[in-house]
Amino acid sequence: QSVLTQPPSVSGAPGQRVDISCTGSRSNIGGGYDVHWYQQFPGTAPKLLIYDTTNRPSGVPDRFSGSKSGTSASLAITGLQAEDEAVYYCQSYDSSMSASDYVFGTGTEVTVL
Amino acid sequence: QLQLQESGPGVVKPSGTLSLTCTVSGVSIDTYGHLWVWIRQPPQRGLEYIGYLHNSGTTYFNPSLKSRATISGDTSKNQFSLRLNSVTAADTAVYYCARPTSRRGYFDSWGPGALVTVSS
Repeated sequence: QSVLTQPPSVSGAPGQRVDISCTGSRSNIGGGYDVHWYQQFPGTAPKLLIYDTTNRPSGVPDRFSGSKSGTSASLAITGLQAEDEAVYYCQSYDSSMSASDYVFGTGTEVTVL
Repeated sequence: QLQLQESGPGVVKPSGTLSLTCTVSGVSIDTYGHLWVWIRQPPQRGLEYIGYLHNSGTTYFNPSLKSRATISGDTSKNQFSLRLNSVTAADTAVYYCARPTSRRGYFDSWGPGALVTVSS
């Protein structure tokens, strides 16, 4: 049911870089709307990680960065650390009548090998 | 510092009505331009937006809920509530209340979540 598609899982060794894609359409990401990213640990609420496509809230390490191109967006984690093991969700706005305004990605589980 | 806290029954019978309340502290829910939303997450699954309450009283819902949901506010208690009727097992989820920065923005404040199980 999610409007934004993410890979189910990605993995990397400590210190490596991983990229998480978020694929949408012309009614959301491709329509120029910003993309936001959340990090979620088991049993806790999602935490804002990246807002307005490229910005980090205070306290978020600069190892996390966001970008967007066309109908897709991407979250990069450089210098991967064990504490980065979590599920990551993208979120945007969708202007189509059949969508729900705020739309989320399917979620990506990051594993540190 | 904005804080949100969900509360309500943890178990609801099938075909019954799910009722949850979000208590807001730090900001008045009738502050001009503010939206207040409900989001849910079924076990081991992703996030699903349910709907919002605007400070004006306007509401909007995810079309997928097919008019089963209502959201209302109580400014005297600084709370907003979700009611979801005709529930089934598919409505079992952790329900979060949250505040978006704007109609097209992101969620900068979340409650810790409340698990609601639909079961007889």
